[in-house]
Amino acid sequence: TQLLEQSPQFLSIQEGENLTVYCNSSSVFSSLQWYRQEPGEGPVLLVTVVTGGEVKKLKRLTFQFGDARKDSSLHITAAQPGDTGLYLCAGVKDSGNTPLVFGKGTRLSVIA
Amino acid sequence: NAGVTQTPKFQVLKTGQSMTLQCAQDMNHEYMSWYRQDPGMGLRLIHYSVGAGITDQGEVPNGYNVSRSTTEDFPLRLLSAAPSQTSVYFCATKNRVVSMGYTFGSGTRLTVV
Repeated sequence: TQLLEQSPQFLSIQEGENLTVYCNSSSVFSSLQWYRQEPGEGPVLLVTVVTGGEVKKLKRLTFQFGDARKDSSLHITAAQPGDTGLYLCAGVKDSGNTPLVFGKGTRLSVIA
Repeated sequence: NAGVTQTPKFQVLKTGQSMTLQCAQDMNHEYMSWYRQDPGMGLRLIHYSVGAGITDQGEVPNGYNVSRSTTEDFPLRLLSAAPSQTSVYFCATKNRVVSMGYTFGSGTRLTVV
């Protein structure tokens, strides 16, 4: 059973379009993180959200943590080819030593 | 400042061989962990450590051993390689602060034939 469900699994869009990626769970998380991974490299942290309802912006990327801390979304405005990559959500279930668990990822392709 | 260094970058093993994947970090991070990444499966946790001398199993620990004798190093040992262990392996570290993200190495691509 996958603790974090990401959708869609694959997304191919034209440059300039907007998109939203979802990360859902039936469990409550103390924090959720979003990573981006490029081919041949390890994931790189984009953002951490820790408070229910929190919204964080990183240039054209907007991240939201659900009020109940069970879900999160990543919205990209005016996507560019440089946004192409694998987007991973990951969560920590409590504030102790619980390790990070990952969703399966969303592979985004932005076509010029 | 090298961050997280994984060696080797590529490895081909024969079934039944053993090997150690190395992970070293210079950030004095307490937490270290090993993940494997397979197509369509995402990143799955193998073993993790919250400090020197302390290790615990993750989601897919069978066939792997770890030890943490120093803060800097967290080697992953394959005892008897199997084709099912063909994967990309990532080492990841973080400090104790909950809201901090993990820093990943660049991975080891392992093929078992």
